[in-house]
Amino acid sequence: AQSVTQLGSHVSVSEGALVLLRCNYSSSVPPYLFWYVQYPNQGLQLLLKYTSAATLVKGINGFEAEFKKSETSFHLTKPSAHMSDAAEYFCAVSNNAGNMLTFGGGTRLMVKP
Amino acid sequence: EAGVAQSPRYKIIEKRQSVAFWCNPISGHATLYWYQQILGQGPKLLIQFQNNGVVDDSQLPKDRFSAERLKGVDSTLKIQPAKLEDSAVYLCASSLRGQRGRDTQYFGPGTRLTVL
Repeated sequence: AQSVTQLGSHVSVSEGALVLLRCNYSSSVPPYLFWYVQYPNQGLQLLLKYTSAATLVKGINGFEAEFKKSETSFHLTKPSAHMSDAAEYFCAVSNNAGNMLTFGGGTRLMVKP
Repeated sequence: EAGVAQSPRYKIIEKRQSVAFWCNPISGHATLYWYQQILGQGPKLLIQFQNNGVVDDSQLPKDRFSAERLKGVDSTLKIQPAKLEDSAVYLCASSLRGQRGRDTQYFGPGTRLTVL
């Protein structure tokens, strides 16, 4: 069984500030971890994924995430928020038993000018 | 490269009516997924196809939902009869192989269903 918990359904930051979106996972086998972004009325777009290579993963639009096995975490960060980053962000987990993605509840990021 | 196509984008029906959604995956992708995303929640997998065979449909409410992927390309998802709680966005996704968890899933824009 696998599950994902995203702490904070809403996060608000000022433009230029650090973005930190939290994700904790539960998996009985080594996980693969993903961050997706969803803009209004659009589908999900992959930001980055962890597939057991480097623990620090760099993605698109300046985002990165670090896999920490001891903390079962995969938090998403970006050094400086931009207005265009305002969206819903989803963390998801899968494993080699299949390609079934289990998503967290999502975090809505708001960026203030 | 064309992305995952879905139609219609929006659908409004009354409860007990039937509705169908269509999905065309990225060319060459063997695996196709249907997800249900209720407002304020993350997507939940309904069914996964590998070519034209079902891999996982454990979360599909089979008394009212059905899906098919004839010829291993396009897919349709049907709800009959619809209930109020079926109001959601239905997302289709595809991946190249899907047999290993690391494969990236590419999502379509979704169909927003409102059941009145």
